[in-house]
Amino acid sequence: EPEVTQTPSHQVTQMGQEVILRCVPISNHLYFYWYRQILGQKVEFLVSFYNNEISEKSEIFDDQFSVERPDGSNFTLKIRSTKLEDSAMYFCASSDTPQIASTDTQYFGPGTRLTVL
Amino acid sequence: GQNIDQPTEMTATEGAIVQINCTYQTSGFNGLFWYQQHAGEAPTFLSYNVLDGLEEKGRFSSFLSRSKGYSYLLLKELQMKDSASYLCAVTSGGYNKLIFGAGTRLAVHP
Repeated sequence: EPEVTQTPSHQVTQMGQEVILRCVPISNHLYFYWYRQILGQKVEFLVSFYNNEISEKSEIFDDQFSVERPDGSNFTLKIRSTKLEDSAMYFCASSDTPQIASTDTQYFGPGTRLTVL
Repeated sequence: GQNIDQPTEMTATEGAIVQINCTYQTSGFNGLFWYQQHAGEAPTFLSYNVLDGLEEKGRFSSFLSRSKGYSYLLLKELQMKDSASYLCAVTSGGYNKLIFGAGTRLAVHP
């Protein structure tokens, strides 16, 4: 069964450093998302991406964040200068259409745990 | 604004039935999803509802009332492995971003 993959599984970085989180969405999917979950809190939407551009972003997704689809398979989230409060689990998700249908739902990758020291 | 409420914790007995409620108030609504999340893992899709009524998938059923802003997830024949958090999420907007509730932590005991 196809699945979303993410690397690395765990990233430790120093405050102020740049990090790039990588995702490989399901191959025939066209819509990509990043979410984050701070420990013990709810899953929060960051950004959606379609047709090589951001389609929607949340208030969390400020100028420190960027997303890119550098090739036909990878989808990346970059944080330019990490802060302590960026420590969280970051989930990538993908779907094949935004319309609601029996199988057109968002499937989540296993997540990257980001720890900022 | 967006507001999704669900109980923080529930406990149930193996083999029993449990109902997890979710109420929502959102500025846009496309559909309502239920995800299961084990500690430290990703959310996994369980079910979704767009129209009012009950959707059944094996041991799991989900109900939606759009007029009341209410949904529930029904889990039958509970197993120990069903101990997890259950996340209610509403999709809105043209690209279907998911807005999650805080989740209900379910503990199944023998």
